[in-house]
Amino acid sequence: QQQVKQSPQSLIVQKGGISIINCAYENTAFDYFPWYQQFPGKGPALLIAIRPDVSEKKEGRFTISFNKSAKQFSLHIMDSQPGDSATYFCAASARGGAQKLVFGQGTRLTINP
Amino acid sequence: GAVVSQHPSWVICKSGTSVKIECRSLDFQATTMFWYRQFPKQSLMLMATSNEGSKATYEQGVEKDKFLINHASLTLSTLTVTSAHPEDSSFYICSARGRGGVLNEQFFGPGTRLTVL
Repeated sequence: QQQVKQSPQSLIVQKGGISIINCAYENTAFDYFPWYQQFPGKGPALLIAIRPDVSEKKEGRFTISFNKSAKQFSLHIMDSQPGDSATYFCAASARGGAQKLVFGQGTRLTINP
Repeated sequence: GAVVSQHPSWVICKSGTSVKIECRSLDFQATTMFWYRQFPKQSLMLMATSNEGSKATYEQGVEKDKFLINHASLTLSTLTVTSAHPEDSSFYICSARGRGGVLNEQFFGPGTRLTVL
């Protein structure tokens, strides 16, 4: 019940296309859903996060869509660029982020020029 | 703001020796620090959570006598890998969380690559 399932494991998108990564969770106590971007040899960096009181959050080219009833959330990267090539992790936490983060398995995104 | 540093960024040691990794919050007070381990092409695995001035809470399966964590101040936590062996070779990442507002989020350090020969 503590798991967060992420798909796909890897994704190849053409430059300018839309990259979509999906996550699903079981624990209804989760109320904070961040996405992290990690480049090789670096620590993860917070990209965007959402709380369940909204169904969508957009920051620049990055959008999180959240479906509370389905217990699913997804990351959309619009106009994907080669510089977006990285590994992306979704995560979930309870108590507004005060509890520990549970990470998805990660998605290796490659944007072809 | 909200910068977390780690030192060293990489370390190579001989089997049986101990290695200490430092994690510092540079511009905020970290009430809680987390230590993760990441193997190649895998997700982050939480090892332990530490609150300033108290003992760390270890995740199931993590040997607390092997991975010593000290959170002595609001800006510094250390992870000591004792009697390191080749299977301890991994990427160790810390994160820090402050109190209130955006600081409720976890801010991650750049990671430390440990190679045990």
